[in-house]
Amino acid sequence: DSGVTQTPKHLITATGQRVTLRCSPRSGDLSVYWYQQSLDQGLQFLIQYYNGEERAKGNILERFSAQQFPDLHSELNLSSLELGDSALYFCASSGGSDYNEQFFGPGTRLTVL
Amino acid sequence: AQSVAQPEDQVNVAEGNPLTVKCTYSVSGNPYLFWYVQYPNRGLQFLLKYITGDNLVKGSYGFEAEFNKSQTSFHLKKPSALVSDSALYFCAVFSGNTGKLIFGQGTTLQVKP
Repeated sequence: DSGVTQTPKHLITATGQRVTLRCSPRSGDLSVYWYQQSLDQGLQFLIQYYNGEERAKGNILERFSAQQFPDLHSELNLSSLELGDSALYFCASSGGSDYNEQFFGPGTRLTVL
Repeated sequence: AQSVAQPEDQVNVAEGNPLTVKCTYSVSGNPYLFWYVQYPNRGLQFLLKYITGDNLVKGSYGFEAEFNKSQTSFHLKKPSALVSDSALYFCAVFSGNTGKLIFGQGTTLQVKP
């Protein structure tokens, strides 16, 4: 158990809808990262927050947004969903230094029908 | 551009034999290198990292990796493979320029009894 929790575990929704994925980092970790894992794209970094502020941005679509709250939990919002958004979405947390390893949650499997 | 290459989609070894999973990288500046493992339907687990110092890094579950600056490689090794080592292995490099952890495409390790 990494100490990172993600909810929900599975999510099935329709095209055009909006969903919110939630992540609670390990106790004491200030950084939260979001990743998308799909068969064709592999593991793609989406975005990083550090203590409430956006720190780094990857290949995150404009339809996607994230935030980190004062209690350090984070939410990833996906809107106007398309079939191609079906993937595993992972959250990870770390102490914040560049050389700290990241601890991954179990993921949310999103299926868009 | 920063990148990580794992040239083998799959590596097959017999239990008890040594294993190597290859990784090469391209990054500006000093690399921070990581190996993660993913078991089916689970999040990624940290195995080991190279930040600085000794080129041979020892990690979890008997794995080790050798940093080779001239060949820009960071191959994962284990002297004696176990069936339970069968999983998907990811090499990753942190890019100080972009502030992102960049993952390779992953290598499936299959250890047969």
